[in-house]
Amino acid sequence: DAGVTQSPTHLIKTRGQQVTLRCSPKSGHDTVSWYQQALGQGPQFIFQYYEEEERQRGNFPDRFSGHQFPNYSSELNVNALLLGDSALYLCASLPSGSYYEQYFGPGTRLTVT
Amino acid sequence: AQSVSQHNHHVILSEAASLELGCNYSYGGTVNLFWYVQYPGQHLQLLLKYFSGDPLVKGIKGFEAEFIKSKFSFNLRKPSVQWSDTAEYFCAVNAAGSQGNLIFGKGTKLSVKP
Repeated sequence: DAGVTQSPTHLIKTRGQQVTLRCSPKSGHDTVSWYQQALGQGPQFIFQYYEEEERQRGNFPDRFSGHQFPNYSSELNVNALLLGDSALYLCASLPSGSYYEQYFGPGTRLTVT
Repeated sequence: AQSVSQHNHHVILSEAASLELGCNYSYGGTVNLFWYVQYPGQHLQLLLKYFSGDPLVKGIKGFEAEFIKSKFSFNLRKPSVQWSDTAEYFCAVNAAGSQGNLIFGKGTKLSVKP
């Protein structure tokens, strides 16, 4: 049973560019959350997707957007990249009806230069 | 605003020493509490969780945590650490009914000397 997978593993972008990160949830999970983990910090909630809609959003600007596909996989898009967007981006999934236990992927390390 | 505080940034212990990592949260309502662990080069894994009931919860690898509601605390403990426990530990909370939005502390890095 595959766990949560994310791609790519690492990414280097330049300020002002746009980036798309991808996540496939654990089998049987239909809800996906995205988190940003800056160096030396705990993960911070960006948003959560369920039934292809954004269900909840953290305190992140509109430059951060997402999408969920019918197969429950998800994308995180960040526009107009800033140096401060450099971080590990984590995807977590959970089954519908379970508001509690989230399973995390390995993350995508984004470096903005 | 909800927040989680982890008291220690970096803890260094020798093998067989006892471990206690502090975690306090700020939230007035009913919460669910979690400890996650991140081993070097690996993804976040759930150590243990508290939803309701017995405030002393046991997790994997001999870890346990105690929820003290009056102190808004959820401290992690292990009687005897091993070198393989070297990792970063994160305390997290979500409000009951918050649909999974986890609020994490900044983490505590544990280094265990063999």
